[in-house]
Amino acid sequence: DSGVTQTPKHLITATGQRVTLRCSPRSGDLSVYWYQQSLDQGLQFLIQYYNGEERAKGNILERFSAQQFPDLHSELNLSSLELGDSALYFCASTEGNNEQFFGPGTRLTVL
Amino acid sequence: KNEVEQSPQNLTAQEGEFITINCSYSVGISALHWLQQHPGGGIVSLFMLSSGKKKHGRLIATINIQEKHSSLHITASHPRDSAVYICAVRSRTSGSRLTFGEGTQLTVNP
Repeated sequence: DSGVTQTPKHLITATGQRVTLRCSPRSGDLSVYWYQQSLDQGLQFLIQYYNGEERAKGNILERFSAQQFPDLHSELNLSSLELGDSALYFCASTEGNNEQFFGPGTRLTVL
Repeated sequence: KNEVEQSPQNLTAQEGEFITINCSYSVGISALHWLQQHPGGGIVSLFMLSSGKKKHGRLIATINIQEKHSSLHITASHPRDSAVYICAVRSRTSGSRLTFGEGTQLTVNP
């Protein structure tokens, strides 16, 4: 158990819908990272937050957004969903620039 | 060309064999990570290294910064080692974000 929690574990929804994925980092970790793992693209960095502020942005679509709240949990919002958004979404947390601890992931299926 | 290349893509071994997975990268890095992803999907961090060699149980990771190359070795492999092994780098110019290799699918047969 990495200490990072993600909910829900599975999500099935339809094209055009909007979903919110939630991540709670390890106690004390200020940084949260979001990653997408799809079959054709592998693991890709989406976005990083540090202590409530956006720190870095990767290949994140405009339809996607994220935020980190004062209690350090983070949410990834995916809207106008397309079939190609079906993937595993991981969050990870870290203290500083150290080892990243990954959550169990949310498997999103868009039908 | 990907910034991080792993080889082989797939590897099948017999229980007890010594296994090596290779990772080459093309950018200057501040750290390299080896991750393990089990069939259920969960990702576990195995090593983070920026120089030399690290050992944890039957796993050994080495890195050669000059050659931009890292290897992950598994000694006395076991069927429970079957998983996808992923190399990821933190480049010097992109903060703490990780760039991932495509992974190596390892199957260890009893």
